[in-house]
Amino acid sequence: GEDVEQSLFLSVREGDSSVINCTYTDSSSTYLYWYKQEPGAGLQLLTYIFSNMDMKQDQRLTVLLNKKDKHLSLRIADTQTGDSAIYFCAESIRSSNYQLIWGAGTKLIIKP
Amino acid sequence: DVKVTQSSRYLVKRTGEKVFLECVQDMDHENMFWYRQDPGLGLRLIYFSYDVKMKEKGDIPEGYSVSREKKERFSLILESASTNQTSMYLCASSPTNTGEQFFGPGTRLTVL
Repeated sequence: GEDVEQSLFLSVREGDSSVINCTYTDSSSTYLYWYKQEPGAGLQLLTYIFSNMDMKQDQRLTVLLNKKDKHLSLRIADTQTGDSAIYFCAESIRSSNYQLIWGAGTKLIIKP
Repeated sequence: DVKVTQSSRYLVKRTGEKVFLECVQDMDHENMFWYRQDPGLGLRLIYFSYDVKMKEKGDIPEGYSVSREKKERFSLILESASTNQTSMYLCASSPTNTGEQFFGPGTRLTVL
């Protein structure tokens, strides 16, 4: 079945770039999403990329999609303490009534 | 702004009690979802609904039921709460034409 994988933790120094990686298995994905969950809160959509795109940039965020390797990454430039959160990768596949297939989430830890 | 609200942020119940978790969305979305979130396991889909009175089982429906009598409201019911249902419960909604899901703030349920 479909599967989305991400590492559980990432630790970076404040001011450095963070790169959170995600791999997925279903090649029929239409959209791929990055959601952010701050402590004690629900999930908020951070950004998304359509499956026919390679890259999307939005201020400090850069999303890269490698369809051949089924690899998605989220780069956060100049990481700040406010970026501390859990980041979830998810894919939307048309065959599943627009359910999302979720990764387990990567906890981003910022070191001063 | 899309708003998804959940009836409680924190709930403490005893084993064997019947528990109702309510979710309301104000954007006329067709799809609504209930997830549970546990550390290291990410989001697991319990049930979803793509229309009023329609429901489909997700990955972990055992021990839960749902009700969708009105488009804006999706209820999750624990018929007889057990300690292994202690978790964070997240509700989400999405329109039919896109996979983007909008989340409520979550309900942290503790079953003693």
